[in-house]
Amino acid sequence: SYSLTQSPSASVAPGQTAKMTCRGDNFEPKSVHWYQQRPGQAPVLVVYDDSDRPSGIPDRFSGSNSGNMATLTISRVEAGDEAAYYCQVWDISSGHWVFGGGTKLTVL
Amino acid sequence: EVQLVQSGAEVKKPGKSMKISCKGSGYTFTDYWIAWVRQMPGKGLEWMGIIYPSDSDTRYSPSFQGQVTISADKSFNTAYLQWSSLKASDSAVYYCARLPNTAAYFDYWGQGTPVTVSS
Repeated sequence: SYSLTQSPSASVAPGQTAKMTCRGDNFEPKSVHWYQQRPGQAPVLVVYDDSDRPSGIPDRFSGSNSGNMATLTISRVEAGDEAAYYCQVWDISSGHWVFGGGTKLTVL
Repeated sequence: EVQLVQSGAEVKKPGKSMKISCKGSGYTFTDYWIAWVRQMPGKGLEWMGIIYPSDSDTRYSPSFQGQVTISADKSFNTAYLQWSSLKASDSAVYYCARLPNTAAYFDYWGQGTPVTVSS
């Protein structure tokens, strides 16, 4: 079955830039989507279709997708960005939705 | 305002049956898929399955096929996730999430239903 790989953890100082990656086989033509999950809360969509943001999501959040790796970038990191971030794709060959294992972002 | 409101926390004994719910409001319920996602304690998100309430077309992850049943009642704008015989390993938080019809991402999520299975 298709799988996505994310680094388990990342840390960044406030005001700096955080980059989190998501790897899988043959990303193209898959679109990658990203969710933020703060402790004790439900996930929230922060980037969809590789690089689009839902309304209400700050432009500090951006995404990219190239080859076998997608990246979520958070600029000017704030304390409130501390959360787990999950990537997700729809695997066309199986018709199933797949999540990465998540990256826990710590704001120092 | 789009909302998915889930039923409350459950505490059950192993072997018992259970059904949790997810009620949609603020949009046309039958125009969107509803998925269920499991999150075990301290772990990540796992897609369990999905239903299209308009015609009850349902797909399951192989990991959950035969273990749970997903259903929907469009008269009540509500989707359901049920178990016939719970196990301790079913203890988790369960989320419902909405999938736009032509998209592959989940744009709105319920608040989650914590389930504890313990003797």
